[in-house]
Amino acid sequence: SYELTQPPSVSVSPGQTASITCSGDKLGDKFACWYQQKPGQSPVLVIYESGERPSGIPERFSGSSSGNTATLTIRATQAMDEADYYCQVWDGNTVVFGGGTKLTVL
Amino acid sequence: QVTLRESSPALVKPTQTLTLTCTFSGFSLSSSGMCVSWIRQPPGKALEWLALIDWDGDKYYNTSLKTRLTIFRDTSKNQVVLTMTNMDPVDTATYYCARTTASRGDSFYSDFWGQGTLVTVSS
Repeated sequence: SYELTQPPSVSVSPGQTASITCSGDKLGDKFACWYQQKPGQSPVLVIYESGERPSGIPERFSGSSSGNTATLTIRATQAMDEADYYCQVWDGNTVVFGGGTKLTVL
Repeated sequence: QVTLRESSPALVKPTQTLTLTCTFSGFSLSSSGMCVSWIRQPPGKALEWLALIDWDGDKYYNTSLKTRLTIFRDTSKNQVVLTMTNMDPVDTATYYCARTTASRGDSFYSDFWGQGTLVTVSS
């Protein structure tokens, strides 16, 4: 079965750029999406089709994908961006989530 | 305005069957590209996809849980139901339903989520 690997945690200083990676076999050939989840809340879609941003998501969120890696980039990171982030793809007949990355803004 | 709401018993006993109902509004599950997914999250753990039903009524399941899951829809009531048999304490989790949009052949993303329902499995 297809697997997605994310680092368990990433730290960033306020105002700096955070990069969260998601690795999987030939991931660049698939459409990845990313969700943000804050404690006690439902996930929110922040990137779809690898680099598209839903309405209402700040421009500082961006996504890219190449080779075996998809990357979520958050520019000018704010304290409110502290959350868990999950990548996800469609593997032909199943949805696959990564294990999640806890982003700490300190 | 798209909304989804999950309903279920809060507590089920081991070996029982769990029935989860997702009631949605603001979209038609019969429209091309529209799907509904079920996803769960054990306390403090990651998201786990369970099942998806699409606009054609095609059904897709988590490979590891497939023998325990059944998803079906009632388009007249705007509901999607997921049943999970033989519940175990490890199935304790928050269960979410989400509208999932399919596009460009192999892009599936969940753009609207319900608030989730916590199900505890205990005797």
